[in-house]
Amino acid sequence: EVQLVESGGGLVQPGGSLKLSCAASGFTFSGSAMHWVRQASGKGLEWVGRIRSKANTYATAYAASVKGRFTISRDDSKNTAYLQMNSLKTEDTAVYYCAKGYYDSSAYLDIWGQGTMVTVSS
Amino acid sequence: DIQMTQSPSSLSASVGDRVTVTCRASQSISSYLNWYQQKPGKAPKLLIYATSSLQSGVPSRFSGSGSGTDFTLTISSLQPEDFGSYYCQHSHSPPFTFGPGTKVDIK
Repeated sequence: EVQLVESGGGLVQPGGSLKLSCAASGFTFSGSAMHWVRQASGKGLEWVGRIRSKANTYATAYAASVKGRFTISRDDSKNTAYLQMNSLKTEDTAVYYCAKGYYDSSAYLDIWGQGTMVTVSS
Repeated sequence: DIQMTQSPSSLSASVGDRVTVTCRASQSISSYLNWYQQKPGKAPKLLIYATSSLQSGVPSRFSGSGSGTDFTLTISSLQPEDFGSYYCQHSHSPPFTFGPGTKVDIK
């Protein structure tokens, strides 16, 4: 079964850090781009960033709202993508989804995880 | 960065109605436009990619059209299970921005 499972969400204070994981199964993870998308409660979807495959030098790209604070990485040996979030702000509170790009070069997202909740609050 | 807008922000329609949602990009994105459906408490689901290609398993009542900056998602005959929010997203170049969404209710 093709599946993405996020973990690592929780409550963190403003200025703190958190690392989310996205475990993949059922497809060739190493050849896929992986994206992160977030959604604040009652709000729309916000694209956070993506990491491409080794064949494309693990190239990353980020939304302006998280650039310099968030880092996406991957471990192909573990079929897992990560989102390291530093200097967290209250406005980063959201459900965070990981999603698979249909092709490494594409940004249409055909497989999504169930999401993990991140709450930034004192 | 490319900005995406959608209209309407919400709509209410009856079963069997033809429903149209519009998405506009702030600059030309060729055919790099995708549509997602999201139901409350669930992850989004890819409906249409590259403007008009139907994702596997998606009912044929869903269709997409457009090019450049103006795009349309059409549901030819609205069904009860089609309630939810619909988002467009461009995949032209990063950041791959989503539109603000259109909430569809069934009358």
